[in-house]
Order: sequence, then C-alpha cells, then structure tokens
Amino acid sequence: GDSVIQMQGQVTLSENDFLFINCTYSTTGYPTLFWYVQYSGEGPQLLLQVTTANNKGSSRGFEATYDKGTTSFHLQKTSVQEIDSAVYYCAMRDSGGSNAKLTFGKGTKLSVKS
Amino acid sequence: AQTIHQWPVAEIKAVGSPLSLGCTIKGKSSPNLYWYWQATGGTLQQLFYSITVGQVESVVQLNLSASRPKDDQFILSTEKLLLSHSGFYLCAWSRRDTGQLYFGEGSKLTVL
Repeated sequence: GDSVIQMQGQVTLSENDFLFINCTYSTTGYPTLFWYVQYSGEGPQLLLQVTTANNKGSSRGFEATYDKGTTSFHLQKTSVQEIDSAVYYCAMRDSGGSNAKLTFGKGTKLSVKS
Repeated sequence: AQTIHQWPVAEIKAVGSPLSLGCTIKGKSSPNLYWYWQATGGTLQQLFYSITVGQVESVVQLNLSASRPKDDQFILSTEKLLLSHSGFYLCAWSRRDTGQLYFGEGSKLTVL
C-alpha cells in the first residue's frame, strides 16, 4: 500500500537558520504531494502542494520540491523564525478515486529559538 | 469563504459512555467530508469519508461510526467509549479538483 516516511521527529534551530525536512514515499500510482503545518492546539493547515516532479511550490517563504527518481520530497526555508515553530507533516494522495485520502508522515516538530 | 466548525472543542468522558462529535461546513455546496484521528503527538489517520448526504465509507475499524444527515454536517459517534479513543478528532473537507484537504480546529477527547 501507499506509505510516507518522515524520519526527522524533532528539529531544533535558531532564528535565521536553514530548514530542511525530507520525506520519502511509496505508491504504485501518480502521487500528489503536500506539506501541512500544525500549530499547537489547532488543526493542520495546508502549506504547499507539489504535483510535478522537479517543480517547486512555494508559500510563506517555504519551498517544496519532489524527486521522482528517488521518490523523495522535501521542505525547506532559508531563514526560519520563532513563529515557524510547529509540527510539519508531509502527505501524499494517490491519483484515483473520490476519497481524497491523504497518507501522512509522522510529523517533524520544529522548535525555533530566538 | 468556506468555514468549518467543530464541536465540542474538548470533552472528558468515562470509559463505556457514549460520544457524539459534530462538524459543520459553510460556504461550500456538496463537499467531500472526512474524519481524521490523531493520537497525542502522533500522525493523522483517516477514519471515514463521505461524498454525499447519507453515504459514509469507513476506512478503519475503531468501534466508531459516522453519519452525514445534511449536506453540510458530519457526525462522529459511538455508543461505548474505549480508552484508546482518546485523541484529537479532525473534520475536513476537500476540493474535488486538487484533493487538497482543509481541516477544522479539532475536538480533543480524553477518555478516563
């Protein structure tokens, strides 16, 4: 079945540091890949969607790309701020069906210190 | 703009007691609706989805049920809570063209 692996459980950075979070995916279909951000006590918010390999998506200073060859996709930000502290989830949707079922990674908790 | 409202915000319930969580979406006609569950500190797992009134599909078996009595309403319930039901329950709707999911603020359930 479909799977998404997000290895980094926790990342601690200082303000203005570079952020890089990587996920790998496995599917037999044609995936659409997403990054969601969840602030404490809230529901996840869509941050980025990437549908075409090697194309970048960008939002709020974050960028995401995916590599079809290595079946990996990553999220990066050049200079993180304290307000970016949250849990970041990668997610994948397979191409078919009426169920927009997303398979989520385990999440990366980002703590940014000022 | 679409809004999604979940209720209650938080519940503390006893093992064996019933539960009902609700979700209403405004500003979107005939949405696909979903229930997700998140254990404390854990990832998100889809429980149910519905593409139309009266139709609900179960994705995992967790002794929970869901119903869609109106186009804009989705209900999650059980007759008897288990300790393992504790967690954060999230309702979501999706855009049919992109599959993007938009989540509500969630309902935190503690079962004692």
